[in-house]
Amino acid sequence: NAGVTQTPKFQVLKTGQSMTLQCAQDMNHNSMYWYRQDPGMGLRLIYYSASEGTTDKGEVPNGYNVSRLNKREFSLRLESAAPSQTSVYFCASSEGLAGSLYAKQFFGPGTRLTVL
Amino acid sequence: RKEVEQDPGPFNVPEGATVAFNCTYSNSASQSFFWYRQDCRKEPKLLMSVYSSGNEDGRFTAQLNRASQYISLLIRDSKLSDSATYLCVVNERDSSASKIIFGSGTRLSIRP
Repeated sequence: NAGVTQTPKFQVLKTGQSMTLQCAQDMNHNSMYWYRQDPGMGLRLIYYSASEGTTDKGEVPNGYNVSRLNKREFSLRLESAAPSQTSVYFCASSEGLAGSLYAKQFFGPGTRLTVL
Repeated sequence: RKEVEQDPGPFNVPEGATVAFNCTYSNSASQSFFWYRQDCRKEPKLLMSVYSSGNEDGRFTAQLNRASQYISLLIRDSKLSDSATYLCVVNERDSSASKIIFGSGTRLSIRP
Protein backbone atom coordinates (compact mmCIF):
# COMPACT_ATOMS: atom_id res chain seq x y z
CA ASN A 1 0.00 0.00 0.00
CA ALA A 2 1.30 3.42 -0.94
CA GLY A 3 -0.98 5.16 1.58
CA VAL A 4 -1.49 8.79 0.56
CA THR A 5 0.44 10.09 -2.42
CA GLN A 6 0.76 13.68 -3.62
CA THR A 7 2.09 15.25 -6.77
CA PRO A 8 4.09 17.30 -7.38
CA LYS A 9 6.58 17.36 -4.49
CA PHE A 10 7.84 20.84 -5.36
CA GLN A 11 6.46 23.65 -7.49
CA VAL A 12 7.41 27.25 -8.23
CA LEU A 13 4.74 29.50 -9.73
CA LYS A 14 4.57 33.10 -10.78
CA THR A 15 1.83 35.32 -9.40
CA GLY A 16 -1.37 34.77 -11.36
CA GLN A 17 -0.53 31.31 -12.65
CA SER A 18 -2.81 28.39 -11.92
CA MET A 19 -2.09 24.82 -10.92
CA THR A 20 -3.68 21.71 -9.52
CA LEU A 21 -2.24 19.64 -6.70
CA GLN A 22 -3.12 15.97 -6.92
CA CYS A 23 -3.78 13.58 -4.06
CA ALA A 24 -4.70 9.91 -4.05
CA GLN A 25 -5.19 7.32 -1.31
CA ASP A 26 -5.39 3.54 -1.55
CA MET A 27 -6.78 2.82 1.93
CA ASN A 28 -10.46 2.96 0.87
CA HIS A 29 -10.98 5.91 3.20
CA ASN A 30 -14.19 7.91 3.00
CA SER A 31 -12.89 11.32 4.05
CA MET A 32 -10.11 13.40 2.55
CA TYR A 33 -8.58 16.76 3.49
CA TRP A 34 -6.31 19.51 2.25
CA TYR A 35 -4.16 21.50 4.68
CA ARG A 36 -1.55 24.17 4.43
CA GLN A 37 1.29 24.54 6.91
CA ASP A 38 3.10 27.80 7.47
CA PRO A 39 5.90 28.44 9.98
CA GLY A 40 4.51 29.10 13.46
CA MET A 41 0.90 28.62 12.30
CA GLY A 42 0.40 24.90 12.53
CA LEU A 43 -1.71 23.10 9.96
CA ARG A 44 -4.84 24.86 8.76
CA LEU A 45 -7.65 23.08 6.99
CA ILE A 46 -8.45 24.44 3.53
CA TYR A 47 -11.20 22.06 2.35
CA TYR A 48 -12.38 18.61 3.19
CA SER A 49 -14.54 15.94 1.64
CA ALA A 50 -16.57 13.85 4.03
CA SER A 51 -17.38 11.30 1.33
CA GLU A 52 -17.30 10.89 -2.41
CA GLY A 53 -19.39 13.60 -4.02
CA THR A 54 -19.25 16.11 -1.14
CA THR A 55 -16.85 18.92 -0.33
CA ASP A 56 -16.89 21.56 2.40
CA LYS A 57 -14.88 24.61 3.31
CA GLY A 58 -12.42 24.51 6.12
CA GLU A 59 -10.74 27.36 7.95
CA VAL A 60 -8.91 29.02 5.02
CA PRO A 61 -10.72 28.23 1.71
CA ASN A 62 -10.30 31.57 -0.08
CA GLY A 63 -8.26 31.31 -3.27
CA TYR A 64 -8.70 27.54 -3.58
CA ASN A 65 -11.09 25.07 -5.17
CA VAL A 66 -11.30 21.32 -4.78
CA SER A 67 -12.66 18.33 -6.62
CA ARG A 68 -13.39 14.92 -5.18
CA LEU A 69 -12.91 13.05 -8.43
CA ASN A 70 -13.76 9.64 -6.97
CA LYS A 71 -13.27 7.87 -3.67
CA ARG A 72 -9.50 7.70 -4.16
CA GLU A 73 -8.67 11.16 -5.48
CA PHE A 74 -9.03 14.69 -4.12
CA SER A 75 -7.44 17.59 -5.97
CA LEU A 76 -6.73 21.16 -4.91
CA ARG A 77 -6.69 23.96 -7.48
CA LEU A 78 -5.18 27.42 -7.24
CA GLU A 79 -6.82 29.49 -9.96
CA SER A 80 -4.63 32.58 -9.66
CA ALA A 81 -1.69 32.01 -7.35
CA ALA A 82 -0.58 34.73 -4.95
CA PRO A 83 2.60 35.01 -2.86
CA SER A 84 0.47 34.52 0.27
CA GLN A 85 -0.19 30.97 -0.95
CA THR A 86 3.47 30.05 -0.60
CA SER A 87 3.28 27.16 1.82
CA VAL A 88 3.59 23.42 2.30
CA TYR A 89 0.38 21.65 1.31
CA PHE A 90 -0.59 18.32 2.86
CA CYS A 91 -3.33 16.00 1.79
CA ALA A 92 -4.77 13.55 4.32
CA SER A 93 -7.41 10.85 4.48
CA SER A 94 -9.36 9.11 7.23
CA GLU A 95 -11.81 6.25 7.47
CA GLY A 96 -14.43 8.41 9.17
CA LEU A 97 -15.04 12.09 9.61
CA ALA A 98 -13.82 14.41 12.35
CA GLY A 99 -15.62 13.96 15.64
CA SER A 100 -15.24 10.24 15.75
CA LEU A 101 -12.41 7.96 16.71
CA TYR A 102 -12.36 6.87 13.08
CA ALA A 103 -11.07 10.33 12.24
CA LYS A 104 -7.43 9.27 12.55
CA GLN A 105 -5.81 10.94 9.60
CA PHE A 106 -3.00 9.68 7.41
CA PHE A 107 -0.97 12.28 5.57
CA GLY A 108 0.77 12.45 2.24
CA PRO A 109 4.38 13.66 1.98
CA GLY A 110 3.41 17.22 1.09
CA THR A 111 3.90 19.67 -1.78
CA ARG A 112 6.24 22.60 -1.27
CA LEU A 113 4.83 25.51 -3.26
CA THR A 114 6.54 28.84 -3.81
CA VAL A 115 4.71 31.70 -5.51
CA LEU A 116 6.96 34.49 -6.76
CA ARG B 1 -7.66 32.92 23.02
CA LYS B 2 -6.56 30.35 20.43
CA GLU B 3 -8.83 27.37 20.00
CA VAL B 4 -5.98 24.95 20.64
CA GLU B 5 -2.82 26.02 22.41
CA GLN B 6 0.48 24.28 22.93
CA ASP B 7 3.73 25.40 24.52
CA PRO B 8 5.99 25.77 21.47
CA GLY B 9 9.11 24.74 23.40
CA PRO B 10 11.71 23.78 22.53
CA PHE B 11 12.01 21.22 25.28
CA ASN B 12 15.61 20.07 25.49
CA VAL B 13 15.99 17.00 27.73
CA PRO B 14 18.61 14.28 28.22
CA GLU B 15 18.12 10.79 26.92
CA GLY B 16 16.25 8.66 29.42
CA ALA B 17 14.32 11.56 30.92
CA THR B 18 10.56 11.76 31.26
CA VAL B 19 8.91 14.68 29.52
CA ALA B 20 5.30 15.85 29.42
CA PHE B 21 3.40 18.24 27.18
CA ASN B 22 -0.02 19.75 27.60
CA CYS B 23 -2.44 21.03 25.04
CA THR B 24 -5.44 23.17 25.99
CA TYR B 25 -8.60 23.58 23.93
CA SER B 26 -11.36 26.15 24.19
CA ASN B 27 -14.49 24.35 22.98
CA SER B 28 -15.99 22.15 25.65
CA ALA B 29 -17.99 20.33 22.96
CA SER B 30 -14.84 18.95 21.32
CA GLN B 31 -15.26 15.29 20.63
CA SER B 32 -12.07 13.53 19.67
CA PHE B 33 -8.43 14.14 20.33
CA PHE B 34 -5.15 12.93 18.87
CA TRP B 35 -1.41 13.35 19.17
CA TYR B 36 0.75 13.44 16.04
CA ARG B 37 4.48 13.72 15.64
CA GLN B 38 6.14 15.57 12.81
CA ASP B 39 9.78 15.26 11.89
CA CYS B 40 11.55 18.14 10.18
CA ARG B 41 10.28 18.64 6.64
CA LYS B 42 8.09 15.54 6.83
CA GLU B 43 4.37 14.92 7.09
CA PRO B 44 2.59 14.54 10.44
CA LYS B 45 2.17 10.94 11.57
CA LEU B 46 -0.39 9.70 14.04
CA LEU B 47 1.15 8.90 17.39
CA MET B 48 -1.96 8.00 19.35
CA SER B 49 -5.60 8.72 19.91
CA VAL B 50 -6.59 10.14 23.29
CA TYR B 51 -9.40 8.34 25.06
CA SER B 52 -11.46 9.62 27.97
CA SER B 53 -10.06 6.93 30.23
CA GLY B 54 -6.47 7.66 29.23
CA ASN B 55 -4.37 5.31 27.19
CA GLU B 56 -0.85 4.01 27.02
CA ASP B 57 1.27 2.76 24.14
CA GLY B 58 4.67 1.59 25.27
CA ARG B 59 6.57 4.59 26.61
CA PHE B 60 3.80 7.01 25.66
CA THR B 61 0.78 7.88 27.80
CA ALA B 62 -2.04 10.20 26.73
CA GLN B 63 -4.62 11.70 29.07
CA LEU B 64 -7.76 13.75 28.55
CA ASN B 65 -9.09 16.12 31.20
CA ARG B 66 -12.47 17.35 30.01
CA ALA B 67 -13.15 19.41 33.13
CA SER B 68 -10.04 21.52 32.61
CA GLN B 69 -10.10 21.13 28.82
CA TYR B 70 -6.65 19.83 28.16
CA ILE B 71 -4.93 16.75 26.84
CA SER B 72 -1.48 15.63 27.82
CA LEU B 73 1.27 13.44 26.43
CA LEU B 74 3.87 11.81 28.65
CA ILE B 75 7.01 10.24 27.21
CA ARG B 76 9.01 8.00 29.53
CA ASP B 77 12.61 6.87 29.04
CA SER B 78 13.02 9.26 26.11
CA LYS B 79 15.14 8.19 23.13
CA LEU B 80 17.12 10.25 20.66
CA SER B 81 14.57 9.18 18.03
CA ASP B 82 11.80 10.93 19.99
CA SER B 83 13.19 14.29 18.85
CA ALA B 84 10.40 15.82 16.77
CA THR B 85 7.54 18.29 16.93
CA TYR B 86 4.44 16.99 18.68
CA LEU B 87 1.07 18.25 17.46
CA CYS B 88 -2.19 17.95 19.31
CA VAL B 89 -5.40 17.76 17.30
CA VAL B 90 -8.92 18.52 18.47
CA ASN B 91 -11.97 17.54 16.46
CA GLU B 92 -15.43 19.02 16.70
CA ARG B 93 -18.51 17.99 14.82
CA ASP B 94 -22.12 19.06 14.67
CA SER B 95 -24.94 18.27 12.26
CA SER B 96 -23.70 20.75 9.67
CA ALA B 97 -19.93 20.72 9.73
CA SER B 98 -16.74 19.28 11.08
CA LYS B 99 -13.86 21.21 12.49
CA ILE B 100 -10.35 19.91 12.83
CA ILE B 101 -7.92 22.09 14.73
CA PHE B 102 -4.21 21.46 14.98
CA GLY B 103 -2.07 23.02 17.65
CA SER B 104 1.08 24.78 16.47
CA GLY B 105 3.21 22.03 17.96
CA THR B 106 5.74 21.52 20.72
CA ARG B 107 9.34 20.95 19.70
CA LEU B 108 11.22 18.27 21.59
CA SER B 109 14.96 17.74 21.36
CA ILE B 110 16.57 14.78 23.13
CA ARG B 111 20.28 15.15 23.82
CA PRO B 112 22.70 12.23 24.37
